Amino acid sequence: DAMVIQNPRYQVTQFGKPVTLSCSQTLNHNVMYWYQQKSSQAPKLLFHYYDKDFNNEADTPDNFQSRRPNTSFCFLDIRSPGLGDAAMYLCATSREAESYEQYFGPGTRLTVT
Amino acid sequence: EDQVTQSPEALRLQEGESSSLNCSYTVSGLRGLFWYRQDPGKGPEFLFTLYSAGEEKEKERLKATLTKKESFLHITAPKPEDSATYLCAVQGRSARQLTFGSGTQLTVLP
Repeated sequence: DAMVIQNPRYQVTQFGKPVTLSCSQTLNHNVMYWYQQKSSQAPKLLFHYYDKDFNNEADTPDNFQSRRPNTSFCFLDIRSPGLGDAAMYLCATSREAESYEQYFGPGTRLTVT
Repeated sequence: EDQVTQSPEALRLQEGESSSLNCSYTVSGLRGLFWYRQDPGKGPEFLFTLYSAGEEKEKERLKATLTKKESFLHITAPKPEDSATYLCAVQGRSARQLTFGSGTQLTVLP
């Protein structure tokens, strides 16, 4: 089945220790998104790639970076995680940027100790 | 700026007790309104896309409707497995991203 895969599902890192989360998709969609979701809150968009075109949300902290080496893979790098970065990180894809539904992966739960 | 408000925040129903969830929105030119279901600890699961007022979509016990200001997710004769958080999101003409509401947490009791 075509899908969005995120690894790892659970990640524990120490305060200030860099961490990378990964996402892959078999849907062959052009657009990939990274969201942050905290408990009982709406998902918050961090950035998205339209093909190789990177789009950063204005309020995304510089501490968050992303890479998309090819159509199938996208990575979220948190350079110096703080306690406030503990959250669920969701990857999503869509065929195009406008008017198409987004398909989400299962998420990575990040804990910062 | 696009805005989405969902109500109620939480809803408890008895099995078989039909009800509706509300999603009110303001957007500059609607490209699409999307409904998702999210189970605890998982990513949102896509349910429906609605594009224009008057449009309706159905899937099993769920039916989504759309007006120019709001969308409803009607749940007919719900079962305990329908328990989840239901998220509504909109995309306006000036944005590539979705604006999500905070969701309605639905609990269906057996």
